[in-house]
Amino acid sequence: DAGITQSPRHKVTETGTPVTLRCHQTENHRYMYWYRQDPGHGLRLIHYSYGVKDTDKGEVSDGYSVSRSKTEDFLLTLESATSSQTSVYFCAISESGGSTDTQYFGPGTRLTVL
Amino acid sequence: AQSVSQHNHHVILSEAASLELGCNYSYGGTVNLFWYVQYPGQHLQLLLKYFSGDPLVKGIKGFEAEFIKSKFSFNLRKPSVQWSDTAEYFCAVKNSGGYQKVTFGTGTKLQVIP
Repeated sequence: DAGITQSPRHKVTETGTPVTLRCHQTENHRYMYWYRQDPGHGLRLIHYSYGVKDTDKGEVSDGYSVSRSKTEDFLLTLESATSSQTSVYFCAISESGGSTDTQYFGPGTRLTVL
Repeated sequence: AQSVSQHNHHVILSEAASLELGCNYSYGGTVNLFWYVQYPGQHLQLLLKYFSGDPLVKGIKGFEAEFIKSKFSFNLRKPSVQWSDTAEYFCAVKNSGGYQKVTFGTGTKLQVIP
């Protein structure tokens, strides 16, 4: 398995509270991604990063921000959590983003917003 | 825009039965295709991938998939399933040029009955 860790693994928070999820990799891969997984929707891309301080939006980026100050860390922040953001969040990494690149996934963070 | 359809949302099989999970994609250009598996409570793991060459791709744990370009399909097969194959299976597609966005299907839950 690729060296990807996510923290925390589980979190329960209240509506309106800021939340930060962390993804850490030991593979020195250039690309990192945040997805959310919801029943009936599969995985949907929130944001991705193609290098330190280089990030871009995915298909469901509203209400989320990201930062990447080091190659190994990619943070996902919910500025003011809402119940619709209750989900399982997966981080993924890939080496180059090229056409034959493959994404590898972390263990996930289960977030519940009450 | 590319999209992926997995028409079987929930499949129940007895052990030793044969498996075929459907995956159809829509995209006008050249694509790379993936199947991921998610065991209960775990992260997504790569089962197999197709980039080019032989359209019949063999993956881990006895799984294989066939790319049929004319049908825009990449169906997953296994001749004889085991109880340990109980999991959710995701098909994914990535266009082979430009931005390397990966689009996931909504997943198929496979339940194998001993």
